[in-house]
Amino acid sequence: NAGVTQTPKFRVLKTGQSMTLLCAQDMNHEYMYWYRQDPGMGLRLIHYSVGEGTTAKGEVPDGYNVSRLKKQNFLLGLESAAPSQTSVYFCASSRVPGQGYSNQPQHFGDGTRLSIL
Amino acid sequence: RKEVEQDPGPFNVPEGATVAFNCTYSNSASQSFFWYRQDCRKEPKLLMSVYSSGNEDGRFTAQLNRASQYISLLIRDSKLSDSATYLCVVNLYGTASKLTFGTGTRLQVTL
Repeated sequence: NAGVTQTPKFRVLKTGQSMTLLCAQDMNHEYMYWYRQDPGMGLRLIHYSVGEGTTAKGEVPDGYNVSRLKKQNFLLGLESAAPSQTSVYFCASSRVPGQGYSNQPQHFGDGTRLSIL
Repeated sequence: RKEVEQDPGPFNVPEGATVAFNCTYSNSASQSFFWYRQDCRKEPKLLMSVYSSGNEDGRFTAQLNRASQYISLLIRDSKLSDSATYLCVVNLYGTASKLTFGTGTRLQVTL
């Protein structure tokens, strides 16, 4: 009954280092999303994917890259970490809207707390 | 003006009280509406979808007013365990299930 799993849960990086956050879902959802949450800002969409092999930019994509090589996995990369990227990162997934499914809620992983020094 | 706007609170209410939150959204053509709950340092969790005719789930009632572009959440008989931040969430533009999140309303239920 895993749902959406994010790894790692915590990480501290130095400015300029790179890393990849992994998101895995076992609900066979087509859509996947990466958000960041900062105090007073709410969740902001970084990148999203509507299917295997496709990605698109969200509201705040700069400094991040993503890949969706397999339907169940969505990776978020930071090529050169900056202190402004200190945040809590959430991955989410959802079904495709269709007839009878006009409301498609998103299901979230439990987050990755990332600190950039 | 924020696209999805909520009163940040906090709302401090005694156990057993009824409390209501409102949320306004900017796009009259918005398609889908939700309330999520987020506990401190935890992930957002779906509380309920909001349907045009209004809907109820136990002690929780959600309403949608398209004419005035707001949704509401009513919590009756508040429990200590209801203490959390409530996020108003809207699919503003109907594309790819992209959701816009409000910054949340914090509720603290006390003895």
